[in-house]
Amino acid sequence: DQQVKQNSPSLSVQEGRISILNCDYTNSMFDYFLWYKKYPAEGPTFLISISSIKDKNEDGRFTVFLNKSAKHLSLHIVPSQPGDSAVYFCAATHQTGANNLFFGTGTRLTVIP
Amino acid sequence: DAGVIQSPRHEVTEMGQEVTLRCKPISGHDYLFWYRQTMMRGLELLIYFNNNVPIDDSGMPEDRFSAKMPNASFSTLKIQPSEPRDSAVYFCASSYSGQGAGQPQHFGDGTRLSIL
Repeated sequence: DQQVKQNSPSLSVQEGRISILNCDYTNSMFDYFLWYKKYPAEGPTFLISISSIKDKNEDGRFTVFLNKSAKHLSLHIVPSQPGDSAVYFCAATHQTGANNLFFGTGTRLTVIP
Repeated sequence: DAGVIQSPRHEVTEMGQEVTLRCKPISGHDYLFWYRQTMMRGLELLIYFNNNVPIDDSGMPEDRFSAKMPNASFSTLKIQPSEPRDSAVYFCASSYSGQGAGQPQHFGDGTRLSIL
């Protein structure tokens, strides 16, 4: 059973606009969340993370928001660039456990020039 | 600085054959993970090791799958006998626990496996 869900398999956004990728989780024990970016024929690469003690973390054009009561997080990319076109995976873990991550099924972002 | 190295990048073989996927983690990392990526389930964790010891293999789909980590710099994932439904991209990842749990995992570029 998927504990981390990304319900939108794809998203298209115009260059310069905001991209919003969403992720929901079911396990209330999760307390650390990560976003990975994946280009074709490459492995996923770490993008940004957030601990459950925060509700927002920002790194340049990328911001992750966490809503613990809704068990929901989102990744905002502003402004979107064509190079951001990739598959984005949401992942979650609980820090008192081991280092294993639970991944969503991914959202393919296409940024249109 | 070398990342996680997987080999082969592509493998095409016939049903029933033995398949061995290889992984070299980043030096100094104490966790190693094997994942399988499919359209339906995304990235599925198959098994992970800590200090070369298998910790959780509950994601291994069947007894046909086995994984070993004989030393800190090498791991294998073996499928015997292989079946067409095993076709997927298999990723290896490693991480370092020294800065606390939940540290980002570093992925290799994967092995695309096709079983005919």
